[in-house]
Amino acid sequence: LAKTTQPISMDSYEGQEVNITCSHNNIATNDYITWYQQFPSQGPRFIIQGYKTKVTNEVASLFIPADRKSSTLSLPRVSLSDTAVYYCLVGDKGYSTLTFGKGTMLLVSP
Amino acid sequence: KAGVTQTPRYLIKTRGQQVTLSCSPISGHRSVSWYQQTPGQGLQFLFEYFSETQRNKGNFPGRFSGRQFSNSRSEMNVSTLELGDSALYLCASSLGASGARQYEQYFGPGTRLTVT
Repeated sequence: LAKTTQPISMDSYEGQEVNITCSHNNIATNDYITWYQQFPSQGPRFIIQGYKTKVTNEVASLFIPADRKSSTLSLPRVSLSDTAVYYCLVGDKGYSTLTFGKGTMLLVSP
Repeated sequence: KAGVTQTPRYLIKTRGQQVTLSCSPISGHRSVSWYQQTPGQGLQFLFEYFSETQRNKGNFPGRFSGRQFSNSRSEMNVSTLELGDSALYLCASSLGASGARQYEQYFGPGTRLTVT
């Protein structure tokens, strides 16, 4: 299983762009990279998923370099409600199993 | 479309008892996975069911078991409860894996189990 490493915590202010980088050196050819967000006492929520280059949706962008050994989740203009734990996951080939790391606790201040 | 529902939301049990948690996936989803979340260990995968068959299992003792019914609803059972089983148990549903692509999983609100 591909292991992921991401910062334990990050601080930001409202309106700023936040970039959270995750490393996954032993990612497999068929693995996808997925990010989830979790608020306290709630289940994680899917944010974005990608395989290579760049993916953008209405809430975030995901940048994946050519070697795919890392990825960066970009949250534009964060607000207080973006305070949460963000998990970077690398998909197990062929299955829906998710392997969660420790995640990054993002604290957004006014 | 209704989301993933889990019952009960909160549960208090005594050490040595057993407990059954229930999960109803999103309509049309055939895969249900269970996770345990604790402050110390974080989110850990328990098992996954697809079309009533356990397809994958995490590193948990045999006291943890589950099943899936023909309507995709799933239950997990923990027997001989230990204090360390106190956790948030999360259920997630997805359409189901096909080939290499990892399908998006939708999580329920969880069941908070406290063992005293």
